[in-house]
Amino acid sequence: GQQVMQIPQYQHVQEGEDFTTYCNSSTTLSNIQWYKQRPGGHPVFLIQLVKSGEVKKQKRLTFQFGEAKKNSSLHITATQTTDVGTYFCAGAQKLVFGQGTRLTINP
Amino acid sequence: NAGVTQTPKFQVLKTGQSMTLQCAQDMNHNSMYWYRQDPGMGLRLIYYSASEGTTDKGEVPNGYNVSRLNKREFSLRLESAAPSQTSVYFCASSWLAGEQFFGPGTRLTVL
Repeated sequence: GQQVMQIPQYQHVQEGEDFTTYCNSSTTLSNIQWYKQRPGGHPVFLIQLVKSGEVKKQKRLTFQFGEAKKNSSLHITATQTTDVGTYFCAGAQKLVFGQGTRLTINP
Repeated sequence: NAGVTQTPKFQVLKTGQSMTLQCAQDMNHNSMYWYRQDPGMGLRLIYYSASEGTTDKGEVPNGYNVSRLNKREFSLRLESAAPSQTSVYFCASSWLAGEQFFGPGTRLTVL
């Protein structure tokens, strides 16, 4: 079945540094979604990418969908303490979630 | 507009006991989902319902049953709980395959 792998599993940065998480699928995806989960909270939708090569920005967050629609990335510029949490990608119609990247930040 | 609500928030069961987790949404979404989340892992789909009256197995359905009672409600039942079912359970809803809205979760411990 479809598998979605996410790396790294953990990332610790100094406040102000950039952060990137990568998502790779074993199969071509019709779309990919990104979610953020704060510690003790529930996943919250960030964005959905549908088109090959698509790039979308939300303030300091940049999302990319690969040309082959098998990989995606989330890049955060100049992290802030409010960015702490676990970031998940999820692919296809019956969402298959990656394991997530847990981001911690040293203020 | 409460979004997605789940009850209970916490539950402790003994091995072999049964229970039903309740989920309701007030956004008129057609699709609803049940996930489990274990420490350090992503969310794994247990069952989903694409529309009222239909249910389908997800990645980890063994030991669970579901009921789509109406468009608003989707319940998850554990008939005979096992320690391996200790987890956080999230219900979610969406329009078709779009953005999923998650409930606050149920933290279940099976002793």
